[in-house]
Amino acid sequence: DIVMTQSPDSLAVSLGERATINCKSSQSVFSSSDNKNYLAWYQHKPGQPPKLLIYWASTRESGVPDRFSGSGSGIDFTLTISSLQAEDVAVYYCQQYYAPPPTFGPGTKVDIK
Amino acid sequence: EVQLVESGGGLVNPGGSLRLSCAASGFTFTIAWMSWVRQAPGKGLECVGRIKTTAEGGTTDYAAPVKGRFTVSRDDSKNTLYLQMNSLKTEDTAVYYCTTSAPFFNYWGQGVLVTVSS
Repeated sequence: DIVMTQSPDSLAVSLGERATINCKSSQSVFSSSDNKNYLAWYQHKPGQPPKLLIYWASTRESGVPDRFSGSGSGIDFTLTISSLQAEDVAVYYCQQYYAPPPTFGPGTKVDIK
Repeated sequence: EVQLVESGGGLVNPGGSLRLSCAASGFTFTIAWMSWVRQAPGKGLECVGRIKTTAEGGTTDYAAPVKGRFTVSRDDSKNTLYLQMNSLKTEDTAVYYCTTSAPFFNYWGQGVLVTVSS
C-alpha cells in the first residue's frame, strides 16, 4: 500500500495569515498516461463528515473558497490556506487514489493562534 | 441533491457480525464507484473497502486490517451499498462513512457509529 505522511502534525496560525501543510507519498502518484497527480485534500471538522477541498492535486472542488490551493507533483504536495479564517479550524488530510487501496495521511490539525 | 444515508450501526460483541447499509439518491448509482471510510476514536481516516460498478464486474478492494473479514457489495436495483462486517474486533470501533469514489471521495454520508465491545 502507498503510505502517506503529513507535516506538521499540528499548527496554529493567526487569523488572516498563511497556513501550509505538506504531504508526501511513499511512491509517485503521478500518472504519465493522463498527466495527472492522483492526490486529494479533505477538511474534517468534529461531528461532520469530511469535505473534499482539492482533487488532482490542484483542482479546487466547486464551492471551496479560493483561499485554499493545492500544489505539488510526484511524491511531494502542499495545501495552502492563504488567509486563515476562523471557520478553517479543522483537521486536514491528504489522500492518494493512484493505487488501491486508497490511503490517507495521518492528518494535520489547524488552530487559531 | 446527492444524499447518502447510512444505517445499521450499533453495539456488537467482539467476534460478532454487523451489516451496514447506505441508501443513495440524487445521482446515477449504477455508474458510481462507492467506498466505505472509517474513523476510529482519536484516529485518522481509513478507506476500508471500495467497489466498482456492476458493469465493471463489481470488483472490490480492501484495506489490509479488514481483508477477509469485511465485504462490500451493492444492489443497484435498490441504489444501496452494503458493508458486511464479520469477526469484529474492538479496533473496528469507529464511525463508518459511505462515500462516492470519483475516484476521490466527493460525497459523504453523515456516518454511522459501530462499537465493538463486550
